[in-house]
Amino acid sequence: QVTLRESAPALVKPTETLTLTCSLSGFSLNTDGMCVTWIRQPPGKALEWLALLDWDDDEYYNSSLMARLTISKDTSKNQVVLKMTNMDPKDTATYYCVRARGSYDSTGYKSPGEWYFDLWGRGMLVTVSS
Amino acid sequence: QSVLTQPPSASGTPGQRVTISCSGANSNIGSDYVQWYQQLPGSAPKLLIYRNDQRPSGVPDRFSGSKSGTSASLAISGLRSDDEAHYYCASWDDSLTGNFVFGTGTKVTVL
Repeated sequence: QVTLRESAPALVKPTETLTLTCSLSGFSLNTDGMCVTWIRQPPGKALEWLALLDWDDDEYYNSSLMARLTISKDTSKNQVVLKMTNMDPKDTATYYCVRARGSYDSTGYKSPGEWYFDLWGRGMLVTVSS
Repeated sequence: QSVLTQPPSASGTPGQRVTISCSGANSNIGSDYVQWYQQLPGSAPKLLIYRNDQRPSGVPDRFSGSKSGTSASLAISGLRSDDEAHYYCASWDDSLTGNFVFGTGTKVTVL
């Protein structure tokens, strides 16, 4: 069975660094076309894409948050980790770990336009407050 | 602020057909694939449509997607009470540094 499970502290203080861990089961990030991405949703608001790590270990970031984000993987534990620095109350949101599918376009280029997000974790609410 | 614009709400009675629009630009919908996601109350989103009009295994054919120019649409036919949810479109945006963007979301109410 393919699952993704997020873990993180439920409460972080302003200026702290948030570490989100996604434990993968039933698939490997080493398989062609497999990616893991992080997406967040502030309470009552729309979805916002944060970062993606693909099967070639290429990293992609939301350009407006890039300076604060680092995505990485621990192959031995089958986990993907997202770090977000300098947390602010505006970062309060449910954070989702999601399996993404990628591929090469007709020219052989690995295009982000090919991505789609086919399996979502349950999400983890993280509150930023002093 | 999202670059993909959706109507905030849509509604219909059971059995009706409801269509949700998603308006973008040449840098996103106009040049890349569109996906649609359904978010039931209190749940994580679920992939409904990918590559403009493809349905993942298990998604009923009552859901269909289309794209024309810089706009996309999701149609729900034979509306059911359990279709009541938020729906989001999404696409890659090629402008400047590039970003994956979601729509503003549409709440579908079954009357």
